[in-house]
Amino acid sequence: NAGVTQTPKFRVLKTGQSMTLLCAQDMNHEYMYWYRQDPGMGLRLIHYSVGEGTTAKGEVPDGYNVSRLKKQNFLLGLESAAPSQTSVYFCASSKPGTAPNQPQHFGDGTRLSIL
Amino acid sequence: DQQVKQNSPSLSVQEGRISILNCDYTNSMFDYFLWYKKYPAEGPTFLISISSIKDKNEDGRFTVFLNKSAKHLSLHIVPSQPGDSAVYFCAASARGAGSYQLTFGKGTKLSVIP
Repeated sequence: NAGVTQTPKFRVLKTGQSMTLLCAQDMNHEYMYWYRQDPGMGLRLIHYSVGEGTTAKGEVPDGYNVSRLKKQNFLLGLESAAPSQTSVYFCASSKPGTAPNQPQHFGDGTRLSIL
Repeated sequence: DQQVKQNSPSLSVQEGRISILNCDYTNSMFDYFLWYKKYPAEGPTFLISISSIKDKNEDGRFTVFLNKSAKHLSLHIVPSQPGDSAVYFCAASARGAGSYQLTFGKGTKLSVIP
């Protein structure tokens, strides 16, 4: 009963390094999302995807890129990590439709520290 | 500019009593509202939702009330249990394109004291 799985769970990077966060869902959901959560803040949408091969910008997309080559996977990339990107990253997925009828299902997060 | 506001960062309640978590919004285009619950080191989980055509939705111990004229909603938990201790996020969704996109509040940390 995996649901949404995020890899890795923790990572420490140096400024300027690159990395990719992986999100995998086994619920056959069309929509997938990447959020970041900073201390004292709500979740903010970075990028989202409404289907395989499609992506779109959310509220805070700068410094990130995404890809959705397969329906079940949504990758978040940091090309040149900056300390301001230190955060907890959450991936989520949902079926198409309005929010209350198709709530988002979240992974357990990736805690990323940029030194 | 915060469109969804949870003005109480934390709330402590005795076990068995009522917990009331509040949420205010500014965007009149919001017409769906959801509450998510989050335990430490876990992702948020969907708890309960309400559409703007209703003013109340109930699910077991959890009831959400919506006052559209005041742009205010609240989550009532009765009776509160220690397992309810978590951070609760209010989220809103607007009608139309991007209705699947959610705007979250900052969260309220609920502590239920045994």
